[in-house]
Amino acid sequence: GNSVTQMEGPVTLSEEAFLTINCTYTATGYPSLFWYVQYPGEGLQLLLKATKADDKGSNKGFEATYRKETTSFHLEKGSVQVSDSAVYFCALSGSSGANNLFFGTGTRLTVIP
Amino acid sequence: EAGVTQSPTHLIKTRGQQATLRCSPISGHTSVYWYQQALGLGLQFLLWYDEGEERNRGNFPPRFSGRQFPNYSSELNVNALELEDSALYLCASSLRTSYGYTFGSGTRLTVV
Repeated sequence: GNSVTQMEGPVTLSEEAFLTINCTYTATGYPSLFWYVQYPGEGLQLLLKATKADDKGSNKGFEATYRKETTSFHLEKGSVQVSDSAVYFCALSGSSGANNLFFGTGTRLTVIP
Repeated sequence: EAGVTQSPTHLIKTRGQQATLRCSPISGHTSVYWYQQALGLGLQFLLWYDEGEERNRGNFPPRFSGRQFPNYSSELNVNALELEDSALYLCASSLRTSYGYTFGSGTRLTVV
């Protein structure tokens, strides 16, 4: 079946530090991969996505590359800001014909000044 | 453009009661998804509705049910509430052929 495994949090970084949040997946077929972000008190927002192997999704300085050989989609940012403090969710699409997404457990990031 | 709206924001129920949660999708979106976000468990997929039909269902008991109305809004019903049903219930909407979900802010259900 489809599943996503994320690194456990919480993650605490100083401002301008480098961020990596690991995500690996198990899936049948060729899923699309996503990172969502949930700021305090808000719903989830799509951060970036990749639809096929070797694609790189990017947005707001965040990047993730779809690695089929390692079944990974790690999230990276070169220099985090306090405003990046949030919970980050890795997700993958369902099997062909199913539009639902499968989410990881989320990783809480706190950036301190 | 109005986002996905969910009501109520908070709901407190007693064990054994029924809860009804509501969701209005973004205008033009025909698909509605329901997820349960319990503490420490991430988002668990509950239900997917599109064009008034249930298209897919997660691994939840039958007491979790719902429906989608002709205007594409949706209801999630949870019968015979149990304490472990306490969670944040998130609704999302999208176009039928898109993974571009837009989430609402959720309904916090507390079962006492």
